Amino acid sequence: SQTIHQWPATLVQPVGSPLSLECTVEGTSNPNLYWYRQAAGRGLQLLFYSVGIGQISSEVPQNLSASRPQDRQFILSSKKLLLSDSGFYLCAWSARGGYGYTFGSGTRLTVV
Amino acid sequence: KQEVTQIPAALSVPEGENLVLNCSFTDSAIYNLQWFRQDPGKGLTSLLLIQSSQREQTSGRLNASLDKSSGRSTLYIAASQPGDSATYLCAVMDTGRRALTFGSGTRLQVQP
Repeated sequence: SQTIHQWPATLVQPVGSPLSLECTVEGTSNPNLYWYRQAAGRGLQLLFYSVGIGQISSEVPQNLSASRPQDRQFILSSKKLLLSDSGFYLCAWSARGGYGYTFGSGTRLTVV
Repeated sequence: KQEVTQIPAALSVPEGENLVLNCSFTDSAIYNLQWFRQDPGKGLTSLLLIQSSQREQTSGRLNASLDKSSGRSTLYIAASQPGDSATYLCAVMDTGRRALTFGSGTRLQVQP
């Protein structure tokens, strides 16, 4: 069966520090991968999605970036965090063709 | 650009009541529609997925309908229980993209 792992679960980082959140999928090949952010009291905002290794589409211009170094690994990064980067970050995968979505358990990021 | 709206934003009902959550979307050219449940501080759990060619899907006490032409979906919960308390999110996947667009959710509280 397919599983998705996301870590860390919580993170407190100072403004201006770097960020690296990792997401891996097991039990499937060639998944579509996604990063979403959920700000307090708001809906989910798509940040990045990827249909293959090295193929990243950015939905929202900001100081975040994403990379997909391996088929089932998706990394969200920042060189310098802003206060506004605080939120709940969710990784997700779907099968090719976009059938169904499965989410990771999320990372609560607080920038102080 | 696809926009998804969920009404009501919050709902409180006594245990045992049947209830309907509403979702509307602006662009009817969708690939599928998915309903999720989110518990506080947790990731998303997929409840039901309706392909664009389908009219409804059922799982236990849950029934989701889709009227693509009018841009509407409803989630029906029968005989609500306190354990149903959570935020329910509707999301659509457009034919041209392979990423979900989410509504802002309905926060449901079922009173024992």
